[in-house]
Amino acid sequence: GQQLNQSPQSMFIQEGEDVSMNCTSSSIFNTWLWYKQDPGEGPVLLIALYKAGELTSNGRLTAQFGITRKDSFLNISASIPSDVGIYFCAGLTSGTYKYIFGTGTRLKVLA
Amino acid sequence: GAGVSQSPSNKVTEKGKDVELRCDPISGHTALYWYRQSLGQGLEFLIYFQGNSAPDKSGLPSDRFSAERTGGSVSTLTIQRTQQEDSAVYLCASSLAQGHEQYFGPGTRLTVT
Repeated sequence: GQQLNQSPQSMFIQEGEDVSMNCTSSSIFNTWLWYKQDPGEGPVLLIALYKAGELTSNGRLTAQFGITRKDSFLNISASIPSDVGIYFCAGLTSGTYKYIFGTGTRLKVLA
Repeated sequence: GAGVSQSPSNKVTEKGKDVELRCDPISGHTALYWYRQSLGQGLEFLIYFQGNSAPDKSGLPSDRFSAERTGGSVSTLTIQRTQQEDSAVYLCASSLAQGHEQYFGPGTRLTVT
């Protein structure tokens, strides 16, 4: 099925560093969601975005709904070891119900 | 409040046997989704329920897969005559209504031996 391009695919960072990842699509979306999935667990919703240009924070996490509505960004500030996991984006077109999911960014934090 | 729950958390079954996976969505959520996640892969859409409308079964990989949702709440995903390629994590998600954010359950890890 259709997937969003998410980058980077994986990254190793030092504890305390800031992290940036993004999702891009050829389609316009009206909703962007960001999830984190730990091994053996289901995805946990981090941030939901509903408006182009919207910038929303959740603790050390900040996500933005791109102006073109074809991309979204997630930033993690001052990373800590428990930030390790896979981060997924998901996009939804207005009037539809099938979310399109990103391929995931695997984050590894070195203490 | 309670999130989405799924049972069992793990299921090991022999090839050819039938399995039933259960999902309890968040109370009041009218939309319910089933997904499959193979090792290291993304989420594969299986089926969508919305209220009393006919479900969207377009993602079911074969006629061995079926799902129902009773009373607009609990859902069961049934896999008949399981095959080894059915081994995966099966995730359920619910949302308040179409277009709202989805909340996932912890998943059921199915292993077919």
